[in-house]
Amino acid sequence: GAVVSQHPSRVICKSGTSVKIECRSLDFQATTMFWYRQFPKQSLMLMATSNEGSKATYEQGVEKDKFLINHASLTLSTLTVTSAHPEDSSFYICSARAREGLYSEQYFGPGTRLTVT
Amino acid sequence: GENVEQHPSTLSVQEGDSAVIKCTYSDSASNYFPWYKQELGKRPQLIIDIRSNVGEKKDQRIAVTLNKTAKHFSLHITETQPEDSAVYFCAARTPPNSGGYQKVTFGTGTKLQVIP
Repeated sequence: GAVVSQHPSRVICKSGTSVKIECRSLDFQATTMFWYRQFPKQSLMLMATSNEGSKATYEQGVEKDKFLINHASLTLSTLTVTSAHPEDSSFYICSARAREGLYSEQYFGPGTRLTVT
Repeated sequence: GENVEQHPSTLSVQEGDSAVIKCTYSDSASNYFPWYKQELGKRPQLIIDIRSNVGEKKDQRIAVTLNKTAKHFSLHITETQPEDSAVYFCAARTPPNSGGYQKVTFGTGTKLQVIP
């Protein structure tokens, strides 16, 4: 199947700093990328959806100024957590889809564990 | 929007027994239902999926059934093995909206433990 990478896998940062997480589709062009957040023992919560070259669509309750998403190319999307606080500590997972339509599959990255101290 | 409920939240079975996880969805427009297996700290892995024009799909020890009328779908794992132990998520995907996006809503997850 298709491969999606995520970097870094783990990051620890101090409160008030910003952290950038990269999501790359390695062997396909991702027209759509998704960013999820997962708390321990909980489900994946969609934060935002982005198409290459356009602004991301944020889910209700997600602060777009705090979670900056850039989908600069068909193989790269970045999530920047600005002015991070301890409550932002979580597991962030991206996923990518090659094309829209009934038969398109969604591939997940390995996730990034963010800890804000 | 779509709401997906999943039951049970935890499930323990003896090795070799079957496991069944059930999900219901609210949006009748949802047309694609994937199931993911997630091991601790790792990415969700697609294990099987079913589309709305199919009632049942099987892949070796794993099967999924869909009842569109009742808006529920189930995952069946037969002859369970210890390596099947993980958290399983169901999901439902709606057709593209006016913005062109298909939204996937995940269930709350089921922690499956297979006891050797």
